[in-house]
Amino acid sequence: GQSLEQPSEVTAVEGAIVQINCTYQTSGFYGLSWYQQHDGGAPTFLSYNGLDGLEETGRFSSFLSRSDSYGYLLLQELQMKDSASYFCAVRPSNDYKLSFGAGTTVTVRA
Amino acid sequence: AAGVIQSPRHLIKEKRETATLKCYPIPRHDTVYWYQQGPGQDPQFLISFYEKMQSDKGSIPDRFSAQQFSDYHSELNMSSLELGDSALYFCASSQGLAGFQETQYFGPGTRLLVL
Repeated sequence: GQSLEQPSEVTAVEGAIVQINCTYQTSGFYGLSWYQQHDGGAPTFLSYNGLDGLEETGRFSSFLSRSDSYGYLLLQELQMKDSASYFCAVRPSNDYKLSFGAGTTVTVRA
Repeated sequence: AAGVIQSPRHLIKEKRETATLKCYPIPRHDTVYWYQQGPGQDPQFLISFYEKMQSDKGSIPDRFSAQQFSDYHSELNMSSLELGDSALYFCASSQGLAGFQETQYFGPGTRLLVL
């Protein structure tokens, strides 16, 4: 089966930097995706890492280390609108579905 | 840009009733996925279709069935509804099998409440 671990909650102030770690154990692995979900809303794709290294998209960056089965999402210059749940997700090589972590609730305070 | 459309957005049913949820993928997307998300939970994969054929199956109860039609829209049929079926149901779509296109685009979801 698949197992993903990420912290349940993170709180930070506006303008700060937050790093959300994700460790995984999967039977196969194509890459690590990150999704943002506001309360009651739909998961929205943020980034994807298929290879080791850092991917940068505006204020958000994501990193993957396949050898460590580890990745992280970096949120910079936090804004109030970044308050949401953030999910890491993997696709095992023998499945087509996404397996999500339990999600990290990020709360941004003024 | 066009997004995934789901209908209805909200649905209230009684126990043992049936419900049909509809999903219209992004144009030219040929793969559809269904997920169930309970309160405070992560999305759980139910079933997926690629080119109108079932491509993968997750934790979908036998009371549920789904199909993808010739126009690529998909329907999730839920029978003998139980209280525990109350959840947000998301449909997502992608172009090509997920192995080649990791980005799945999610619809706004259908909130099902079973009384």
